[in-house]
Amino acid sequence: DGGITQSPKYLFRKEGQNVTLSCEQNLNHDAMYWYRQDPGQGLRLIYYSQIVNDFQKGDIAEGYSVSREKKESFPLTVTSAQKNPTAFYLCASSIGWAGTQYFGPGTRLLVL
Amino acid sequence: KQEVTQIPAALSVPEGENLVLNCSFTDSAIYNLQWFRQDPGKGLTSLLLIQSSQREQTSGRLNASLDKSSGRSTLYIAASQPGDSATYLCAVVYSGGYQKVTFGTGTKLQVIP
Repeated sequence: DGGITQSPKYLFRKEGQNVTLSCEQNLNHDAMYWYRQDPGQGLRLIYYSQIVNDFQKGDIAEGYSVSREKKESFPLTVTSAQKNPTAFYLCASSIGWAGTQYFGPGTRLLVL
Repeated sequence: KQEVTQIPAALSVPEGENLVLNCSFTDSAIYNLQWFRQDPGKGLTSLLLIQSSQREQTSGRLNASLDKSSGRSTLYIAASQPGDSATYLCAVVYSGGYQKVTFGTGTKLQVIP
């Protein structure tokens, strides 16, 4: 079955710690995205990648970093510089830059 | 700054009723508009995508329309069922690139049996 997987489902971060969220897709999509969702707010774009080895900042990239070494994978690192990381993180992919976006199940990040 | 607004924020209807969800956007220079469904604690599921050159799209009991001149899209759900209960979000892709994808805050729908 083709789709997008995210792991873990829940992630706990200690003060000053960097954590990495995994996103993998087997849809052969070129474009991948990371969004953050907070209660009562719409999704906000953190980073996006149009192609392997290329990525661009979205609206709220500060305190986050990404890599795109493989077409299938787009991990997101939440660094210690992100002072309010508690949120629901969603990864998505699409065939082209404006195509239908397919989402993973999400990772909920909590701070200890 | 482009804004996407969805009103109402929440809606409760009896089973079987036909209903309309609204999505308004401030910039008419859009590339496409997409409607999603989100169940609690889950990712988003794509429902319909309307290109800027289209007026509407249909899938089963769902029909989405697009009026760029008025900056509005509507999602029509026919004969609502309890399984339709979810949050519905619209997302607008503006002409100009990836970074101009803007999501609305969603309408939380409850269909009462």
